[in-house]
Amino acid sequence: ETGVTQTPRHLVMGMTNKKSLKCEQHLGHNAMYWYKQSAKKPLELMFVYNFKEQTENNSVPSRFSPECPNSSHLFLHLHTLQPEDSALYLCASSQDLWTGRGYTFGSGTRLTVV
Amino acid sequence: GENVEQHPSTLSVQEGDSAVIKCTYSDSASNYFPWYKQELGKGPQLIIDIRSNVGEKKDQRIAVTLNKTAKHFSLHITETQPEDSAVYFCAASRDNAGNMLTFGGGTRLMVKP
Repeated sequence: ETGVTQTPRHLVMGMTNKKSLKCEQHLGHNAMYWYKQSAKKPLELMFVYNFKEQTENNSVPSRFSPECPNSSHLFLHLHTLQPEDSALYLCASSQDLWTGRGYTFGSGTRLTVV
Repeated sequence: GENVEQHPSTLSVQEGDSAVIKCTYSDSASNYFPWYKQELGKGPQLIIDIRSNVGEKKDQRIAVTLNKTAKHFSLHITETQPEDSAVYFCAASRDNAGNMLTFGGGTRLMVKP
C-alpha cells in the first residue's frame, strides 16, 4: 500500500448511471489530483486540489465532477459517461503545491462504460 | 505549455543487460524531473528524481542524467532483473514545487530471463 487508497478497484457502469470514485490518503498531504490513464496515451491531468480548494480544471467535461471535502478525501462523481471515458482513473497526493517531493499515486479505479 | 516526449515506447532486454529510456522536454524553465515505475495493476511509483541544479543522480542500479542545454534527461537501469519489467514514465515540471507534472507517454520495459 502506498498510503493512497482508491475505491472501487473496478467499476462497470452504463451510460445513464451515476457513480462516484473515492480516494483517501493518510499521508498528511494537502494536495490531491485526479489523472486519467487511457491505453497508449500519456497520463492526463484532470483536476487539482490544494488545501481543499480546486486550483486546476484541465478542460474536463462536466460529466466529471470532483469533490474535496477535506485534505484527506477526494471524490470523482460520474454521470452520463461515454464509452470513450473508459480508462484507469488515478488519484495522487503530494505535500502541497510548493514542496517538491513528487506524487504518491493510488492503484487506480479501472472504469468501463458500457 | 510543457511537452514531454519519451522513447522508446517499448524496450526488451536480456536479464543482466542495461536499459536506457530517454525523454525530451520543451519548456526551458522546467527544473524538476521525476521517474515513475508502474507495475501491472498498480499506480505509478516514484523511483528517482533529479533537479536542474545537478547533472546526474544514482540510486543503486538506477541512475538519471540531465542535459539542460539539450533539454533531455535519461533513465539508466543496470544489471536488469525480471522484476524491473514494468511501464516507466518520465515527467517534468517548471516550478520548484515539483508539482503540476507533465508526463511522457511511457516505456514498457520487458526483461527476459
